[in-house]
Amino acid sequence: AQSVTQPDIHITVSEGASLELRCNYSYGATPYLFWYVQSPGQGLQLLLKYFSGDTLVQGIKGFEAEFKRSQSSFNLRKPSVHWSDAAEYFCAVGVGTGGFKTIFGAGTRLFVKA
Amino acid sequence: EAQVTQNPRYLITVTGKKLTVTCSQNMNHEYMSWYRQDPGLGLRQIYYSMNVEVTDKGDVPEGYKVSRKEKRNFPLILESPSPNQTSLYFCASRWTGGLAGANVLTFGAGSRLTVL
Repeated sequence: AQSVTQPDIHITVSEGASLELRCNYSYGATPYLFWYVQSPGQGLQLLLKYFSGDTLVQGIKGFEAEFKRSQSSFNLRKPSVHWSDAAEYFCAVGVGTGGFKTIFGAGTRLFVKA
Repeated sequence: EAQVTQNPRYLITVTGKKLTVTCSQNMNHEYMSWYRQDPGLGLRQIYYSMNVEVTDKGDVPEGYKVSRKEKRNFPLILESPSPNQTSLYFCASRWTGGLAGANVLTFGAGSRLTVL
C-alpha cells in the first residue's frame, strides 16, 4: 500500500543548530515528493518539491531535501534553524496516474529552543 | 491575491445539525480537494474533484458530501455531524496542466469544527 512515514512526531533543536526531518515513502514507482510547512493557525505552505532531475532540491527559507531512491527517503534539512522555523512539517507524495492523489505523512512538529 | 478561502474558520455545532463548510478559489484551478487533519494522522483526503460536476471519494468519505457546480466553489457538507467529525478541515486546489503531478496544492487557512 502507498504510504508516507515520518518517524519523528516531534523534534526539539536549539536555535542555530542543524535540522534533519526524516521521511520515508512506500510506492512502486518514482513519486512526486513534497514538503509542506504549517505554522500555527495557518494552512499548509510548500517548502520544496521533487519530481525529476537533481536529487538535491532547494526550497524556500533555506531548506533543502534529498531524494534517495535506494532508501525510499526524502529527508528535509536546514543547516541553521531559526526560532521562526517552529512549525509542523509534512512530507507528502503524489501517486497514481498523473500524481493526482497526494498522500501525507503524519507530520513532525519542530520546537526551537533559545 | 491567489487564494483558497474557507468559511467558517471556527464552528461549534451539535450532533445531527446539518452544516456546510464553503471553499472558494480564485485561481481557475480544475482540481479541488478536502482534507481533514487529526493529531498523529496527518491529512487524510475526504473528497476531491477533477473538474465541474466530477467528484470522487478520497480515503475517509463517510459522513460527508460535496458538490462542484461551479469551478471556483467546492463546499463540504455534513448532513448529520457526529462527534468523530470534530477535526480541522482544509480545502485545497491545484492546476492540472503541464506535469500535473508536480503541481502544488494551494491550501485554505483551515476550518476548525467541533461537534458536541
